[in-house]
Amino acid sequence: EPEVTQTPSHQVTQMGQEVILRCVPISNHLYFYWYRQILGQKVEFLVSFYNNEISEKSEIFDDQFSVERPDGSNFTLKIRSTKLEDSAMYFCGGARGRNEKLFFGSGTQLSVL
Amino acid sequence: AQSVTQLDSHVSVSEGTPVLLRCNYSSSYSPSLFWYVQHPNKGLQLLLKYTSAATLVKGINGFEAEFKKSETSFHLTKPSAHMSDAAEYFCVVSGRVGSSNTGKLIFGQGTTLQVKP
Repeated sequence: EPEVTQTPSHQVTQMGQEVILRCVPISNHLYFYWYRQILGQKVEFLVSFYNNEISEKSEIFDDQFSVERPDGSNFTLKIRSTKLEDSAMYFCGGARGRNEKLFFGSGTQLSVL
Repeated sequence: AQSVTQLDSHVSVSEGTPVLLRCNYSSSYSPSLFWYVQHPNKGLQLLLKYTSAATLVKGINGFEAEFKKSETSFHLTKPSAHMSDAAEYFCVVSGRVGSSNTGKLIFGQGTTLQVKP
């Protein structure tokens, strides 16, 4: 079965630094998502992306966050100035359609020190 | 607004015995419900999906779930647990605006399944 690939698997950064989390979705997917899970908490929706624009975002997804799909393959999540509370597991997801099965990557564990 | 509540944060069973992971949902419309599993160091994998067809949904690895509207429940079951079933399980509902799915998923808190030999 095709897989969503996320890199890196672990990222450690200093507070205030910029990080970019990368995802390579499955090639025929059109809808893309970022979710995150803070340790001990629920998996939370961050943002959905379709047709090269954000289709929905949560309250968490403030001006410090951005997403893009610059080359039609990689789908990235950028955090401009990381805070301690951004430490979490970040999951990338993709689907062929809005009501289709959502495939997730294995996640990037972000630790902000 | 849609939400799901997983009633147990941790379930422990012996290998070969039945598994029951409980989930209640809240939704204004007929919901789309899912169960996802996460094994250590792996991504979230879809076990099964309910979308208003048959109320008993069969998934992968011998799991199934029954949609009960009267009880607003979507419990996950398996007749006989295997050691490889030890993982984190998430009950999930699809977000909606009006009667349309948004594509966004709303996760429960997760249930850790421990399988003892």
